[in-house]
Amino acid sequence: ETGVTQTPRHLVMGMTNKKSLKCEQHLGHNAMYWYKQSAKKPLELMFVYNFKEQTENNSVPSRFSPECPNSSHLFLHLHTLQPEDSALYLCASSQDQASGAGELFFGEGSRLTVL
Amino acid sequence: DAKTTQPNSMESNEEEPVHLPCNHSTISGTDYIHWYRQLPSQGPEYVIHGLTSNVNNRMASLAIAEDRKSSTLILHRATLRDAAVYYCILKSYFGNEKLTFGTGTRLTIIP
Repeated sequence: ETGVTQTPRHLVMGMTNKKSLKCEQHLGHNAMYWYKQSAKKPLELMFVYNFKEQTENNSVPSRFSPECPNSSHLFLHLHTLQPEDSALYLCASSQDQASGAGELFFGEGSRLTVL
Repeated sequence: DAKTTQPNSMESNEEEPVHLPCNHSTISGTDYIHWYRQLPSQGPEYVIHGLTSNVNNRMASLAIAEDRKSSTLILHRATLRDAAVYYCILKSYFGNEKLTFGTGTRLTIIP
């Protein structure tokens, strides 16, 4: 248990569906992150929020839409996805974005399959 | 971003020490060296980090070369539960919006 909880753990959706991934952290952290991990590829940073403000969008297609209503919650809204978007989506948090010494705490991930 | 280079895979016998190397020849003076590991079907977990001096914690030790261009993660006595992918990452003192994970080293522990 890392203090970062992701739901659902598994999700299967069609290309025309709209779904959301949820991440919640109980660590009092101010920075939250979405990463994508495709099979046999390194983790790719998607979005960063620091004190609820988006500070990084790593050229992510608009069919992925993040939302950070407060420092404890992070969502990833999914719309009109493609099969190649099937991957493990990982949420992480840290005390804040600015500290080079700060560690990231990851959730267990949401395994997404797009049919 | 400064990059790191790690071997794709390593094997070690159970209950023996493991030395996982990482090269980071373009490291800047303000970069911390972080290590994470990812066990099967889990998200990555923090292992250890350091700046210049060697570091020890309950999980591992981190040996940093004097010129900081390389480092070694040391697992003193490997167990089967240490089988994972180990990532060496550089993180700027000023924060790094694009914290970059490479492909890491897949460590296999032989019983």
